[in-house]
Amino acid sequence: DAGVTQSPTHLIKTRGQQVTLRCSPKSGHDTVSWYQQALGQGPQFIFQYYEEEERQRGNFPDRFSGHQFPNYSSELNVNALLLGDSALYLCASSPAGNQNSPLHFGNGTRLTVT
Amino acid sequence: ILNVEQSPQSLHVQEGDSTNFTCSFPSSNFYALHWYRWETAKSPEALFVMTLNGDEKKKGRISATLNTKEGYSYLYIKGSQPEDSATYLCAQRRGGSNYKLTFGKGTLLTVNP
Repeated sequence: DAGVTQSPTHLIKTRGQQVTLRCSPKSGHDTVSWYQQALGQGPQFIFQYYEEEERQRGNFPDRFSGHQFPNYSSELNVNALLLGDSALYLCASSPAGNQNSPLHFGNGTRLTVT
Repeated sequence: ILNVEQSPQSLHVQEGDSTNFTCSFPSSNFYALHWYRWETAKSPEALFVMTLNGDEKKKGRISATLNTKEGYSYLYIKGSQPEDSATYLCAQRRGGSNYKLTFGKGTLLTVNP
């Protein structure tokens, strides 16, 4: 039973470029959330996808966008990268039917913007 | 309390010691409190999801309590082992229609053999 998988594991980009991160949820999960963890901080909620739509969004600019596919996998896109976007990006999945289910996390994508 | 806060920031204990740390959160509009363990080079792993005031949960040598009226949760580890070394994160969910978790910065526990 595969858990949450994220790709790539590491990525180096230049300011102004665009990046796409990918996530496959745990089998049986249909909800995907994305979190950003900057150095020294706890994970910050970016957005959550359910039924291929953005269900809720955190306090992130429109440069951050996402998508969920019919197989429940998800992408996080960041445009016009800034140095401050350097962080660990975590994907987490959960089953929509259980409101108090814990999140299952992937290992994250480490993004470095130079 | 306006945000989720964890203390201490880091902790060093000897193998066999028992330890505990604190998560403080806004008490209004409480829905759930999550605890996660995050070992280096791995993904965060769920320990507990707690919803009711006075809740106590246990998993092996780790247990947690919840006080929603005063806005705090304690995580206890009995007889710490080197494999307990990790960052322990708590996260709050506020409101049933609010799906986001607000995380604290974590407590880094190091257990020396």
